[in-house]
Amino acid sequence: DADVTQTPRNRITKTGKRIMLECSQTKGHDRMYWYRQDPGLGLRLIYYSFDVKDINKGEISDGYSVSRQAQAKFSLSLESAIPNQTALYFCATSDAGGETQYFGPGTRLLVL
Amino acid sequence: GENVEQHPSTLSVQEGDSAVIKCTYSDSASNYFPWYKQELGKRPQLIIDIRSNVGEKKDQRIAVTLNKTAKHFSLHITETQPEDSAVYFCAASLPPGGADGLTFGKGTHLIIQP
Repeated sequence: DADVTQTPRNRITKTGKRIMLECSQTKGHDRMYWYRQDPGLGLRLIYYSFDVKDINKGEISDGYSVSRQAQAKFSLSLESAIPNQTALYFCATSDAGGETQYFGPGTRLLVL
Repeated sequence: GENVEQHPSTLSVQEGDSAVIKCTYSDSASNYFPWYKQELGKRPQLIIDIRSNVGEKKDQRIAVTLNKTAKHFSLHITETQPEDSAVYFCAASLPPGGADGLTFGKGTHLIIQP
């Protein structure tokens, strides 16, 4: 869905580096989410935000932090990247009803 | 929290045959059950969903059924075509409005054999 964008699309980094993945949306949705996808494990929720002042931990938040800079922007940070954080990361948005989620194109992250 | 189990992990069917993917959920309070399709290298996209007050929903060749008593729901694809090849994810959410986001199954890789 072109209304949800992620940058960068691909990133290679080294162990111990701090990196930030960014998500922007023009759908006007209040709710934003970060998921991680690993082969055979499906999509797992890292953090979610229902508005600029509301941040919540998901199933696998350890090692990650987020920032909701504006309604349209939600960033995911890895403070000190480690190899097992190598994965495909998706941002998603939903409206106030919170059900149907619209995913960004994903960021493929490789931690060496 | 909610737990969603999805089976099978891989499903291979002949083109034109039907495919069925099954999911179970753990929390009886869950009330919304979407299905997402993810083509290779693409993002997941919603293909059909069902709410707990409905037993079955159909959209052309795809249908979803829900059994609240047994806490399971299924995706049915009839007359499969090559473009149906993808990974399919089921999910469940708790009210109100998916307060904790969606809990996804681990996915089913559907392969359509020509």
